[in-house]
Amino acid sequence: DQQVKQNSPSLSVQEGRISILNCDYTNSMFDYFLWYKKYPAEGPTFLISISSIKDKNEDGRFTVFLNKSAKHLSLHIVPSQPGDSAVYFCAASVFTSGTYKYIFGTGTRLKVLA
Amino acid sequence: NAGVTQTPKFRILKIGQSMTLQCTQDMNHNYMYWYRQDPGMGLKLIYYSVGAGITDKGEVPNGYNVSRSTTEDFPLRLELAAPSQTSVYFCASRTRGGILENTIYFGEGSWLTVV
Repeated sequence: DQQVKQNSPSLSVQEGRISILNCDYTNSMFDYFLWYKKYPAEGPTFLISISSIKDKNEDGRFTVFLNKSAKHLSLHIVPSQPGDSAVYFCAASVFTSGTYKYIFGTGTRLKVLA
Repeated sequence: NAGVTQTPKFRILKIGQSMTLQCTQDMNHNYMYWYRQDPGMGLKLIYYSVGAGITDKGEVPNGYNVSRSTTEDFPLRLELAAPSQTSVYFCASRTRGGILENTIYFGEGSWLTVV
């Protein structure tokens, strides 16, 4: 039962172009969504997030869009840079059993070509 | 800025051995979590804690134990290691704040191989 899905295991984009990473979810109780970036042999680092009451959040080159009716979110990176090459995980949060729980997707490996 | 610190980074265990993965955070966070990540998979929650003295099971707790005697430390114990526990383990923490402070912070990870 995969509540958070990232259907594209990998994505290659030319430097300077837009990278779009997608994520779908099934649980309508999720109230917060996050994107994490992970380099090899390191822990995930927080990138950007969005509350379920919003449909867009922007931070520099990174923008996250949320479509609640479609249960879909996406991360846009513009312009893409070689240093953005990493695995990107989307996560959804829900408050249950006295704590915030986070459900992660399986990740999308982004490769930005110079 | 230490954040969440995990040790060891790499470890090889023999089947049946036991070990403890250490996790400490210096952000005074109440919530702490242990996840494992298998190849091609997302992070699966092993155990979590909402504060000192309180722990609870996540999705995949079998074969593991935790304790939370202080706010800072949340060690994960593997008893009788099995090859199925070969994985990368991440400790994470977050503040007790509400939804607007809803970010969890991860340690660097511990790569464990059971042979």
